[in-house]
Formats: sequence, C-alpha cells, structure tokens
Amino acid sequence: AQSVAQPEDQVNVAEGNPLTVKCTYSVSGNPYLFWYVQYPNRGLQFLLKYITGDNLVKGSYGFEAEFNKSQTSFHLKKPSALVSDSALYFCAVRDVSGAGSYQLTFGKGTKLSVIP
Amino acid sequence: EAQVTQNPRYLITVTGKKLTVTCSQNMNHEYMSWYRQDPGLGLRQIYYSMNVEVTDKGDVPEGYKVSRKEKRNFPLILESPSPNQTSLYFCASSFAYEQYFGPGTRLTVT
Repeated sequence: AQSVAQPEDQVNVAEGNPLTVKCTYSVSGNPYLFWYVQYPNRGLQFLLKYITGDNLVKGSYGFEAEFNKSQTSFHLKKPSALVSDSALYFCAVRDVSGAGSYQLTFGKGTKLSVIP
Repeated sequence: EAQVTQNPRYLITVTGKKLTVTCSQNMNHEYMSWYRQDPGLGLRQIYYSMNVEVTDKGDVPEGYKVSRKEKRNFPLILESPSPNQTSLYFCASSFAYEQYFGPGTRLTVT
C-alpha cells in the first residue's frame, strides 16, 4: 500500500525567509509525486509534480521540490516566503507500478503561516 | 473556461435520505475522482474512474456509489447517508498527471 507522511501540522515562517514543507512517501514501485495548495474556502490547486528526470522540479508561484529517492522524500521549498503563500499544502503520491496505479494518496496537509 | 463544477455546494440532509452530488468537467478528461476532506485526515480518495464505465475503489468507498455513463459526468451517490459522512467533498479530473479540482461540496448529515 502507498502512503504519504507530512510530519508537521503547521509551519510558521517570517516573510522573506526561506520555507520548507516536508513530505515523505512509501510505495512498492516507482512514485509519481505531487504538491497541491488549498487556500481558505477553495478547492485544491496543482503546484508541481515529479514524474521522472531531474530531481529538482520547479512549479507555480516560485515553489520547487526535490525528489530524494534514498530518503523517500519530496520536500517543498521556496527561497523567499510571501504572506500570500499562507495556505494548506498537500503532498500526494501515485505508485505507478502494478495494480491500483491510478490511485492517488494524499498526506494530511501542512498549514503554512507566513508572518509579516 | 476549463473547469470542474459540483452541485450542490452546500447540503444539509437527514440520516437515510438518498442524495446525489453531481460533478461535471468540460476538459474532455478521461480520469475523474472523488475525495472527502476531514480535519486532521487530509484528503482521502473515495472512488475513481479511468474512463466511461470504468470505476474503482479508493481508500474509503464504504457507503458511497459512483457511475460514469458519460465522459464529462461523475456523480457521487449516498444511498443511505449517515452522520459520519458529514464532510467536505471534492471532485477532480485529469488528463495525464495533475488533477483539476472542483470547488467542493460541504455536506452535513444530521
């Protein structure tokens, strides 16, 4: 079975500082990895994905994430946080090997608060 | 405008009264999915569909039904709702990898 862990329920960072939101995953085969963001009272929006290739992937709004196979991690990063980045962030994984490969599993979410 | 729509957006109902939440997408996507979002539990997949007439269970399918008779529509059916199905529900669709989410349906079962 596939799973995702987001070890921090909440991350607080000062505006202008770098931010990191952590994600680790577990799959039996090869993973597709995703980050989504949810603003208050809104649906989820896609930020970025890792499918194959370069381990550092860049996405929307200046976010990036690094795929680390040995540590089974896919942490979300941004060099300089904005107040408008405050939202709920979800990591998700698809195990693209074998049965159930269209099933997408989300983490529990991390609330990011950027303090002015 | 490319979008996923859900109706209704808000619904309060009573235990045992059958209901349907509709989901429609105008992007000609083959893959569609339903999720529920609960505090502290994140998003959990209920059912997904890879194409017309092809559906499969996600992590929490109990108490739910789906059908996919047309490519654009993927309704979620609660035959006999119970209070533990009170939640925020999201429909999503995708062509390849990233999913496009609807605005959500907040369901309360009393």
